[in-house]
Amino acid sequence: DAGVIQSPRHEVTEMGQEVTLRCKPISGHNSLFWYRQTMMRGLELLIYFNNNVPIDDSGMPEDRFSAKMPNASFSTLKIQPSEPRDSAVYFCASSLQVGEQYFGPGTRLTVT
Amino acid sequence: GENVEQHPSTLSVQEGDSAVIKCTYSDSASNYFPWYKQELGKRPQLIIDIRSNVGEKKDQRIAVTLNKTAKHFSLHITETQPEDSAVYFCAASPDNTGKLIFGQGTTLQVKP
Repeated sequence: DAGVIQSPRHEVTEMGQEVTLRCKPISGHNSLFWYRQTMMRGLELLIYFNNNVPIDDSGMPEDRFSAKMPNASFSTLKIQPSEPRDSAVYFCASSLQVGEQYFGPGTRLTVT
Repeated sequence: GENVEQHPSTLSVQEGDSAVIKCTYSDSASNYFPWYKQELGKRPQLIIDIRSNVGEKKDQRIAVTLNKTAKHFSLHITETQPEDSAVYFCAASPDNTGKLIFGQGTTLQVKP
C-alpha cells in the first residue's frame, strides 16, 4: 500500500492567489482528516469526512477555506484567497473507524 | 468540546534514562488515546495507543497508562536512545467518528 498521498509537497504562492491541496487516502479507509500544523498553534484539526460526508468543519478558520471529498479516493482543501498567515504544513490523514490515523507526508505551504 | 493539555513542552534526558510525558483531557466520554511521534520534517506516526477499558499497555520500551477517574494519561519511555529524540503528541478521541484532539506536543531530546 502506498499510504496516504498528498500533493503538492511544497507550494509557494503570493498573497491573494488560490491554493488547492490534494489528498488520496489509503484504499478502504472510510474517514479522512485535514490538519494544519504551525509552531504557534500545534496540530489543528480543520475538517473531517466520514464515508465522503463532511462531519465536522468547526476547525476551518474562516470562509476562505473549503474542503471537498467527491469520492472515497480523493479530497481537496482549497484556500481562496490565500494570506501569509496561512503558511503552515497541511497534513491529510485517513483511518478505518476509530483507530490509528495514518498521516500523509504533508504539504508545506508558503504564502508571500 | 474536548481539550487536551500536554506537559512538559520540552524534555531533555541523558541516554539510558527514562522519560515521562503527561496529558490531561476534559471530556469524560473520550475513549481512545493514541500517542504519535514526529521526527523533524516528517509526518506524525503512531507509536502506541490505549482504549478506555484498559489501564496500561506496554510495547517494548514504551508504555502508556490511563487514569479515567482523573482524566489523565501518560507516556513512559525507558532506556532512552538518541533516536527517541522527536516531538511526541498525545491525543484523545471524544466520539465514535475517529476525530482526534491533539495536545500541544513535547519536544524530547535524548543526549548521548
